[in-house]
Amino acid sequence: DAGVIQSPRHEVTEMGQEVTLRCKPISGHNSLFWYRQTMMRGLELLIYFNNNVPIDDSGMPEDRFSAKMPNASFSTLKIQPSEPRDSAVYFCASSLGAPPDTQYFGPGTRLTVL
Amino acid sequence: AQSVAQPEDQVNVAEGNPLTVKCTYSVSGNPYLFWYVQYPNRGLQFLLKYITGDNLVKGSYGFEAEFNKSQTSFHLKKPSALVSDSALYFCAVRDSGFQKLVFGTGTRLLVSP
Repeated sequence: DAGVIQSPRHEVTEMGQEVTLRCKPISGHNSLFWYRQTMMRGLELLIYFNNNVPIDDSGMPEDRFSAKMPNASFSTLKIQPSEPRDSAVYFCASSLGAPPDTQYFGPGTRLTVL
Repeated sequence: AQSVAQPEDQVNVAEGNPLTVKCTYSVSGNPYLFWYVQYPNRGLQFLLKYITGDNLVKGSYGFEAEFNKSQTSFHLKKPSALVSDSALYFCAVRDSGFQKLVFGTGTRLLVSP
């Protein structure tokens, strides 16, 4: 299995620009999670989906952030407009969605907003 | 609400010595407990988990963890540390009634030659 795939691996953009991060979960997994990791705040859960439906988006920092999962094999996390404080590593993880589901992480996208 | 604490920001150990990385948890139901490892510029890798049964759980790369219900702890252990074990280790807990994991702040393990 290829594991969780994320793209791009690195993204450098300027403040105010739109950023789209992409994730392909492991085939057969029906839960998907987006995390953000920073030195100051550690690992934070932003949102998670089950069967393509958003279940908990309480971790999404503000309206500039949005996430979609149009089908079982693809999800996006969009930031519009981006700000320097959004600079972080964004991870996607997937699981089978049934307890006790182990989450498997992608390699992450390192986002730098100038 | 679920929570997990990793009281040590960093653990230093000499190669060949045993290592322990501590984790305590708080949940309202039955705990599902996990350990993950993160190497530099990589995603988190699953090491092991406790669901039920034997309190000593064996995982990848020679790691094991001991579940202690009375002390609400789930410490990660390895009998003989390797330099290549140097990484960031995360403990996580999932309450049986919730799907999402709550992660600790991480413990950096440094194994010296």
